[in-house]
Amino acid sequence: EPEVTQTPSHQVTQMGQEVILRCVPISNHLYFYWYRQILGQKVEFLVSFYNNEISEKSEIFDDQFSVERPDGSNFTLKIRSTKLEDSAMYFCASSVAGEQFFGPGTRLTVL
Amino acid sequence: GDSVTQMEGPVTLSEEAFLTINCTYTATGYPSLFWYVQYPGEGLQLLLKATKADDKGSNKGFEATYRKETTSFHLEKGSVQVSDSAVYFCALNGNTGGFKTIFGAGTRLFVKA
Repeated sequence: EPEVTQTPSHQVTQMGQEVILRCVPISNHLYFYWYRQILGQKVEFLVSFYNNEISEKSEIFDDQFSVERPDGSNFTLKIRSTKLEDSAMYFCASSVAGEQFFGPGTRLTVL
Repeated sequence: GDSVTQMEGPVTLSEEAFLTINCTYTATGYPSLFWYVQYPGEGLQLLLKATKADDKGSNKGFEATYRKETTSFHLEKGSVQVSDSAVYFCALNGNTGGFKTIFGAGTRLFVKA
């Protein structure tokens, strides 16, 4: 069964450093998403991406964040200068439309 | 904007007890509704879904019925097992715009043997 994959599973970085989280969505899906979950809290929408552009973003998704689909398979989330409060689990998801399939997540720890 | 409200946890039950986790939503239009489960240290797994009013989603003994008149999607299971211990998230997708999914705060379930 096709699935969304994410790498790395755990990323540790120093405050102020740039990180890139990677996702491989399901191959025939058209919509791509990033969500985050701060430890013990709810899952929050960050951004959706369709047809090579952002279709919607939340207020969390400020200028420090960017997304890219550099080739036909990967979908990346970049955080330019990490802050302590960026520590969270980041989930990638993809869909044809409607129901989304989630990856296993990348745990980002900012020290 | 759209939102999901679910009962606060933790919920602690003995094995074979009946489970209900309440979920209500606010949305314009006709959202699809979901329950996701998150086991300790793992990602989100879709447990069940319903895409229109009066639909019943079911999986692994869990059920939820899309009630438009009460804007609810309560999760039920007749007999819980220790292995059901997890966090359960109610969620909706408005089927519009960027198709983002909006999650409730999650309800942690502990099942004792």
